[in-house]
Amino acid sequence: KQEVTQIPAALSVPEGENLVLNCSFTDSAIYNLQWFRQDPGKGLTSLLLIQSSQREQTSGRLNASLDKSSGRSTLYIAASQPGDSATYLCAGGYGGATNKLIFGTGTLLAVQP
Amino acid sequence: DAGVTQSPTHLIKTRGQHVTLRCSPISGHKSVSWYQQVLGQGPQFIFQYYEKEERGRGNFPDRFSARQFPNYSSELNVNALLLGDSALYLCASRDRGGSGSYEQYFGPGTRLTVT
Repeated sequence: KQEVTQIPAALSVPEGENLVLNCSFTDSAIYNLQWFRQDPGKGLTSLLLIQSSQREQTSGRLNASLDKSSGRSTLYIAASQPGDSATYLCAGGYGGATNKLIFGTGTLLAVQP
Repeated sequence: DAGVTQSPTHLIKTRGQHVTLRCSPISGHKSVSWYQQVLGQGPQFIFQYYEKEERGRGNFPDRFSARQFPNYSSELNVNALLLGDSALYLCASRDRGGSGSYEQYFGPGTRLTVT
């Protein structure tokens, strides 16, 4: 069964701190792994997409890594800001012609000013 | 360029009723997927459509159905609503179907409340 798990479920840090969010997946046959941000009651904003052949992707203060062999991905946020407060979701892309996303339950991040 | 759009934003229905949710993908995107997100959980895959054909279905009952139109917009229909159908329904588009590793872009969602 394809499952994605995120740890921790919630995280509170002071502004300026660097932090790491963890994502693990049971089926390593992923096509890609995507990290999203979700603000309360809103849709998903794509942050980073890592292809299965890649090891990491960077965008601004964000860096995501992918290790298929261990079934893990991490999202690193540098110099956190209060505006980074949101739920962060990772999703593994599976399924060949379907390419459905299997989501974790998310990490709720609070950055304290 | 407009992103993925969904309508309506919010909807309140009574148990047993029927509901239709609508989605317009990003211009040029031919693939649309639907997801259900219950409060406190990650989104769950419902359907994917590409070029008006169903390409995948998640573990949802037959009360859920969808279709895609020639302009690539899509509708999600849910019959005989249950309280457990209350959720945020998300639509995602990508620029190709098939097994290409392409990024998915999500709309703002439709919040469905069943009373």
